[in-house]
Amino acid sequence: GNSVTQMEGPVTLSEEAFLTINCTYTATGYPSLFWYVQYPGEGLQLLLKATKADDKGSNKGFEATYRKETTSFHLEKGSVQVSDSAVYFCALSDMETSYDKVIFGPGTSLSVIP
Amino acid sequence: GAVVSQHPSRVICKSGTSVKIECRSLDFQATTMFWYRQFPKQSLMLMATSNEGSKATYEQGVEKDKFLINHASLTLSTLTVTSAHPEDSSFYICSAGTGIETQYFGPGTRLLVL
Repeated sequence: GNSVTQMEGPVTLSEEAFLTINCTYTATGYPSLFWYVQYPGEGLQLLLKATKADDKGSNKGFEATYRKETTSFHLEKGSVQVSDSAVYFCALSDMETSYDKVIFGPGTSLSVIP
Repeated sequence: GAVVSQHPSRVICKSGTSVKIECRSLDFQATTMFWYRQFPKQSLMLMATSNEGSKATYEQGVEKDKFLINHASLTLSTLTVTSAHPEDSSFYICSAGTGIETQYFGPGTRLLVL
C-alpha cells in the first residue's frame, strides 16, 4: 500500500540555518506529493505540492523536488526564521488507487531558536 | 482562499455520552469530506471519507457504528462519536475539497472524554 516516511524530529535549528526534512514515499501508482504545515494551535495548511516527476514545489522560501528515481520529496529552506517553527507533514495522494485520499507521514516538529 | 470550519473547537464530555462534531465548507461546495484523527505528537490518521448523499467509506480498523458520519449537504458533514470513552479523546480534523489539489483542512476539534 501507499505510505510516507519522514525523518524523525524534533529538529531544532538556529535562525538563518539551512533546513532539510527528508521524506520518502511508497506508492503503487503515480502520486501527487505535498508538504503540509501545522503551526501551534492551528489547522493544517498546504505548504507546497508537486504532481509529477521532476516538478519543484515552492512557497514561502520552502522548496521540494519530486524525485521519482529515489521516491523522495525532501523539504528545504535556505534560511529559517523563528516563525517557521511548526510541525511539517509530508503527504501523498494517488489518484489511481485512492482518489482524493491523502496519506500523511508522521510529521516532523521544527523549532527555530533566535 | 477556501475556508473550512469545525464546531466545536473543543469539547469535554462524560464517558458514555455521544458527541457531534460539525465540519462546514464556508464558501464552496464539497462533494467529499474527510475525517482524520490525530493523536498527540503523531500524524493524522484517515478515519473515513464522507460523500454527500451516500454512506461514508471507513478505513480499516475504524468502527463505523462508533464513529457515525453524515454528509447531509454539500457544505456540511458531521461526525458523531457514540458512547464515548476516554480512549476516544483525541484531536479530530476534517477536510473538504472537490479534488486533490483543492483540499482544505478545518482547524480541528479537541475531544476530551472523562
